[in-house]
Amino acid sequence: NAGVTQNPKFQVLKTGQSMTLQCAQDMNHNSMYWYRQDPGMGLRLIYYSASEGTTDKGEVPNGYNVSRLNKREFSLRLESAAPSQTSVYFCASSERGTQYFGPGTRLLVL
Amino acid sequence: GEDVEQSLFLSVREGDSSVINCTYTDSSSTYLYWYKQEPGAGLQLLTYIFSNMDMKQDQRLTVLLNKKDKHLSLRIADTQTGDSAIYFCAEKIDSGYALNFGKGTSLLVTP
Repeated sequence: NAGVTQNPKFQVLKTGQSMTLQCAQDMNHNSMYWYRQDPGMGLRLIYYSASEGTTDKGEVPNGYNVSRLNKREFSLRLESAAPSQTSVYFCASSERGTQYFGPGTRLLVL
Repeated sequence: GEDVEQSLFLSVREGDSSVINCTYTDSSSTYLYWYKQEPGAGLQLLTYIFSNMDMKQDQRLTVLLNKKDKHLSLRIADTQTGDSAIYFCAEKIDSGYALNFGKGTSLLVTP
């Protein structure tokens, strides 16, 4: 089992460009999450999907959209990237509360 | 959510015990977690404790939970240089889906 995978691992964008961060899990978990990690801020929840077909905002949803494509995949989209979105993005999945994380996507917006 | 607080930095010598502390403020927390993050990597689940327990031991790791004081600690016995990482405390609130994370404690193990 690969667990939670994320693509790409690194990305550099210019302000105003768009991109989609991909996440997939092979643990048959119902719930999936997107977090961002910034120095001194810990992890902050952007969006989550409690089950296939549902998505909800987290603590910092502005500037992002998500799609729960199927039970395995949960993507995060930046429509118009801003320098404030420079961060490390983590996807996670869970069953009965315990969350398992992917390796992260490091995004730099210039 | 309410804040989960951790000290930011801890330095220990190799072979000593490390104790990383965490306080949480939500009394409805059901599970409390410890995650480890090595440089450039994702978060790795180390251990967790259910809120009706007060202690859990797993090899070199001991988790202590004091519900009255809302205090959680992670003790690492015989700390090794490979234990150098950031350790995150997290709580799951009964009514929620997501975890509420602390800002992480950087553990530095010196030879």
